[in-house]
Amino acid sequence: DGGITQSPKYLFRKEGQNVTLSCEQNLNHDAMYWYRQDPGQGLRLIYYSQIVNDFQKGDIAEGYSVSREKKESFPLTVTSAQKNPTAFYLCASRRRDLPSGGTQYFGPGTRLTVL
Amino acid sequence: AQKITQTQPGMFVQEKEAVTLDCTYDTSDQSYGLFWYKQPSSGEMIFLIYQGSYDEQNATEGRYSLNFQKARKSANLVISASQLGDSAMYFCAMREGLNSGYALNFGKGTSLLVTP
Repeated sequence: DGGITQSPKYLFRKEGQNVTLSCEQNLNHDAMYWYRQDPGQGLRLIYYSQIVNDFQKGDIAEGYSVSREKKESFPLTVTSAQKNPTAFYLCASRRRDLPSGGTQYFGPGTRLTVL
Repeated sequence: AQKITQTQPGMFVQEKEAVTLDCTYDTSDQSYGLFWYKQPSSGEMIFLIYQGSYDEQNATEGRYSLNFQKARKSANLVISASQLGDSAMYFCAMREGLNSGYALNFGKGTSLLVTP
């Protein structure tokens, strides 16, 4: 079955550590996105990538970094510079053309907690 | 800049009844897309329905329909014949333009509880 996988489901980090969240898709989608969700809030865009080896900052990119070396993979690193990283992180992907308006499909998410 | 507003933090509906979740938006773009997603307690965002700004008819997907009123800038979600499994958070979202990679801009969501 095609879909988006994220790992791990739960992640605990000590202050000062960098951690990497995995996002893999086998939908053959060109564009991928990372969003952050805080309690009682909607999603906010961290980074996006429309093609391999290219990515752009979203609204809240400070303290995060990404890479896009393969079409299928878009890992997110939460660095020690991110002051409040405890949140739910969602990865999404979209076909490059825009059938049905370019619907984004989401992975199951990673819940990051800073100890 | 785009803005999505969902004014209902929480809603209750009885099983088998219909419910409307409100969404208003603000944009200066002529071409845009509006989406509704469902987020159950597991956390995954599930796509429900899409409406394009140039679509003349309201979108429908099974029990979901989108009441699109362009002049009023509203895109309300209607769920007919509610089921217990419909209890979840519901988010309205608008697609940004090419310069933002067609990312989605989300409202804060509405929590729906379906009661027996």
